[in-house]
Amino acid sequence: QSVLTQPPSVSAAPGQRVTISCSGSASTDGRNYLSWYQQFPGTAPKLLIYANNKRPSGIPDRFSGSKSGTSATLGITGLQTGDEADYYCATWDYSLNSWVFGGGTKVTVL
Amino acid sequence: VQLVESGGGLVKPGRSLRLSCAASGFSFSDFHMSWIRQASGKGLEWVSFISSAGTTIHYADSVKGRFTISRDNAKNSLYLQMNSLRDDDTAVYYCARDQENFDYWGQGTLVTVSS
Repeated sequence: QSVLTQPPSVSAAPGQRVTISCSGSASTDGRNYLSWYQQFPGTAPKLLIYANNKRPSGIPDRFSGSKSGTSATLGITGLQTGDEADYYCATWDYSLNSWVFGGGTKVTVL
Repeated sequence: VQLVESGGGLVKPGRSLRLSCAASGFSFSDFHMSWIRQASGKGLEWVSFISSAGTTIHYADSVKGRFTISRDNAKNSLYLQMNSLRDDDTAVYYCARDQENFDYWGQGTLVTVSS
């Protein structure tokens, strides 16, 4: 059973930087399947980062992703009140033939 | 790109429900698709995957043997047949385009399983 572990919550003041960790044991077969999603209450998730560190068109460069070994990190710089949301990491597990999501992290802007 | 789910509603435990997802704005037959659900106040849970041609299908253990994913590329539509529904299947169900990430999501349809 693969698991992706995220902290339940992180917080920082406006303008500061936050990082969200995502650590797990998923069998990714060495491929770059780690992605991050942003979700506001009552709305569908939105792709924020794909292939570990790539941003889709329209996503500001305040958002960044990195991955090392079995851990990944989402970084948000210049934190804004509009960044208050839940953030999820996800990856495809080749040994289980299933997608795995992290438990989600709530970002609070103080 | 637009994905629009439908078919959710209130259903009694043990009964069945069929969800649909209408796709537009892209070449549906070229893309894999997935269903993902979210119980109220909980995180995201992947449910099922279907390849672009419908030849490869995967399910989460929690729904294996009860749910069936399918697609009709001629109708640009994705389906989820849910049988033997349980209370813990209650969730918002999203369809999402699956290309090594979920780059587009529908707005979701609420399924409530309750007696």
